[in-house]
Amino acid sequence: DADVTQTPRNRITKTGKRIMLECSQTKGHDRMYWYRQDPGLGLQLIYYSFDVKDINKGEISDGYSVSRQAQAKFSLSLESAIPNQTALYFCATSAGAFTDTQYFGPGTRLTVL
Amino acid sequence: EDQVTQSPEALRLQEGESSSLNCSYTVSGLRGLFWYRQDPGKGPEFLFTLYSAGEEKEKERLKATLTKKESFLHITAPKPEDSATYLCAVQAFSGNTPLVFGKGTRLSVIA
Repeated sequence: DADVTQTPRNRITKTGKRIMLECSQTKGHDRMYWYRQDPGLGLQLIYYSFDVKDINKGEISDGYSVSRQAQAKFSLSLESAIPNQTALYFCATSAGAFTDTQYFGPGTRLTVL
Repeated sequence: EDQVTQSPEALRLQEGESSSLNCSYTVSGLRGLFWYRQDPGKGPEFLFTLYSAGEEKEKERLKATLTKKESFLHITAPKPEDSATYLCAVQAFSGNTPLVFGKGTRLSVIA
């Protein structure tokens, strides 16, 4: 079984709808991250959480919110989806050890019409 | 501000034609430099971590090296299955900020 799972894997929605993307991990890591990836722009950090009580904005947090329900679960919400939020979304985890290697989930492809 | 710049943006090689990808970085004290491989539509897959200048790590046809300002990913006699985007990231010494990623180099190996 995969260590980092994301649901759904694909989602098509309409402008103005509220969408939640979910991430779960079995690696026992404290740190979790949400990224979006657009062609040619690389990975852009949306939000990150270093433990259950810690939430931090990344470089592109406008239009997004997150919830850290437990050590193993980190959800990303689009309150009112817009077409330019169409992208590939990745969740990642890390242990927060001296070397903070991140491990990524398989991604969610989101299309906003 | 910590920054990572990767070059070239895209590289096309013939099978067996060795080459190198570059990752230049500026960081307030380097704790680690990371290389990832990403296949289209999939999550990045961790390859290597380098910690100090002069360090080298190898995996199959890939070898990563590190200096005080840049890292190279050398690809020896590549095969079509090496085609992917290769991402570089750095971790600042404080350890309290997320990794900073470059935009990647898209490698195509033609049979």
